[in-house]
Amino acid sequence: DAKTTQPTSMDCAEGRAANLPCNHSTISGNEYVYWYRQIHSQGPQYIIHGLKNNETNEMASLIITEDRKSSTLILPHATLRDTAVYYCIVAIGGSQGNLIFGKGTKLSVKP
Amino acid sequence: SAVISQKPSRDICQRGTSLTIQCQVDSQVTMMFWYRQQPGQSLTLIATANQGSEATYESGFVIDKFPISRPNLTFSTLTVSNMSPEDSSIYLCSAGRGNGNTIYFGEGSWLTVV
Repeated sequence: DAKTTQPTSMDCAEGRAANLPCNHSTISGNEYVYWYRQIHSQGPQYIIHGLKNNETNEMASLIITEDRKSSTLILPHATLRDTAVYYCIVAIGGSQGNLIFGKGTKLSVKP
Repeated sequence: SAVISQKPSRDICQRGTSLTIQCQVDSQVTMMFWYRQQPGQSLTLIATANQGSEATYESGFVIDKFPISRPNLTFSTLTVSNMSPEDSSIYLCSAGRGNGNTIYFGEGSWLTVV
């Protein structure tokens, strides 16, 4: 079973920041938080991942709470093309690599 | 990053037949996986494709139904055997180098069984 809890759906206005929450209260010390998204009819696209520290790349920022029990993915300026299902996944980043997907959050970016 | 190509991208198959899906990665990877995504559902892990040995299957998936090969570090195949309409899904290949490195996905193979 997936070890994360995400809202089923969210809306965001185009040009605004989209903040997608994820709860992972049973995360272990060696588990990373990964975020992927899936735009309709395509394979999942990697967005970002982190262990303890906040991370930022050209797509998004990942904010992980100090106790690591929750995190937030931030898309700073959402566009219509960011409409997708966003998956938050907790996985061991070492010898493992199999990602267990939950149901994700359906983000709808509206004009 | 790794580029992952899958063939076929889409197919319509007759009930009772088998189809082999190929997955090619553009660089050597440690780990390769196969997923299934049924209509309207999330992804479900089928198995880990192990190079030079038998695949490791998740609960609910068996080798007779989903035989997997991985002859080298960049290539794997998944066969869906004796297909029924319930096997109509997207089948996705993923790969990565482990040790906290990113896992990438192919675009998927859309399979419709009639």
